[in-house]
Amino acid sequence: GENVEQHPSTLSVQEGDSAVIKCTYSDSASNYFPWYKQELGKGPQLIIDIRSNVGEKKDQRIAVTLNKTAKHFSLHITETQPEDSAVYFCAASDAGGTSYGKLTFGQGTILTVHP
Amino acid sequence: DTEVTQTPKHLVMGMTNKKSLKCEQHMGHRAMYWYKQKAKKPPELMFVYSYEKLSINESVPSRFSPECPNSSLLNLHLHALQPEDSALYLCASSHNRGPGNTIYFGEGSWLTVV
Repeated sequence: GENVEQHPSTLSVQEGDSAVIKCTYSDSASNYFPWYKQELGKGPQLIIDIRSNVGEKKDQRIAVTLNKTAKHFSLHITETQPEDSAVYFCAASDAGGTSYGKLTFGQGTILTVHP
Repeated sequence: DTEVTQTPKHLVMGMTNKKSLKCEQHMGHRAMYWYKQKAKKPPELMFVYSYEKLSINESVPSRFSPECPNSSLLNLHLHALQPEDSALYLCASSHNRGPGNTIYFGEGSWLTVV
């Protein structure tokens, strides 16, 4: 099955700096890669996603890049704000077999933005 | 705000109790999911329903019993749980099952087994 590795496990930045979180996946057939933000006591919230026919996608201060050849994708947050502090999970979606559509998550990154 | 609603938000139950977690969505989604999340860990898939039929069971112990009464509702019946089952239980839904379908999560039900 799919395996997703996520780094770093913790990330501390100053307000206004950029933050980058990286993930690698194992199954070359995976073709959908969402990113979720989870605040304390809440469920995961989708913040951006990318499909394998696209190399980069931006939404205001958030961007995701995908390198299918290397099987890795990254989340970039610019001009970080204290409210960006949360746990971020990357995920990859199985493309076939009995696990069709199953999301496999990375281990998560605790992002702390200091004012 | 999430459009997947879960009740109760918190539940404490004894090991001999029977209780249920409930989930509702009105987005017209035809795939619904139960995930379990332990502290500082990613969500782990338990069950997937597609068009009200169970399509994935991730070898979950029988003390967890899912039910999908209709396309908007998903229940998780709990019986004879163990303390290690204490976790955040997340319900989610998507338009259809399959890659590329955005999965939306509810806020979760915090379960404590005593």
